[in-house]
Amino acid sequence: EAGVVQSPRYKIIEKKQPVAFWCNPISGHNTLYWYLQNLGQGPELLIRYENEEAVDDSQLPKDRFSAERLKGVDSTLKIQPAELGDSAVYLCASSLDRSEQYFGPGTRLTVT
Amino acid sequence: AQSVAQPEDQVNVAEGNPLTVKCTYSVSGNPYLFWYVQYPNRGLQFLLKYITGDNLVKGSYGFEAEFNKSQTSFHLKKPSALVSDSALYFCAVREGGYQKVTFGTGTKLQVIP
Repeated sequence: EAGVVQSPRYKIIEKKQPVAFWCNPISGHNTLYWYLQNLGQGPELLIRYENEEAVDDSQLPKDRFSAERLKGVDSTLKIQPAELGDSAVYLCASSLDRSEQYFGPGTRLTVT
Repeated sequence: AQSVAQPEDQVNVAEGNPLTVKCTYSVSGNPYLFWYVQYPNRGLQFLLKYITGDNLVKGSYGFEAEFNKSQTSFHLKKPSALVSDSALYFCAVREGGYQKVTFGTGTKLQVIP
């Protein structure tokens, strides 16, 4: 069974530029999560989808961050414009119903 | 609000010795508890979970965890540590039927040969 796929694995951009991350969850998993992880810290939830509906986006900085999961399968997280403080690892995870989560390898973003 | 604490930033243990990584939690209702492991430049991997039932939960790679309701703890244990167990370990909690999961800050486990 394929795991959660994320791309790109690494991204370096200049501040004020846009960036997008893509995630393909495990087949059949209806719940998809985007997390931000800073060095030495635990993941912090940005947004959670149940199928195509965003059911928890309270921690998403909506002035610059956006996300979509149009067909209830893969998802895209976008930042526009990026700031220096956005440098972090962006993790995608999926789960079946309310069980444990399965994480992708993450995208390491560096904003210069 | 739910929360989870991992009081140790780092745990050092000699190979072959038993290991314990500590976790305490706070929720209003019934806790769903999880342990994840993260190797360098990798995403988190699920190790084990407690939802209900037996307080001793067995998981992947020989790890187990004990749920203690009175002490609100869910410590991760392994009888004999391997060098390959060296990684970052995260405890996580979810309150009952709610979907939001809160992760701890992580504990770095260093197994010394």
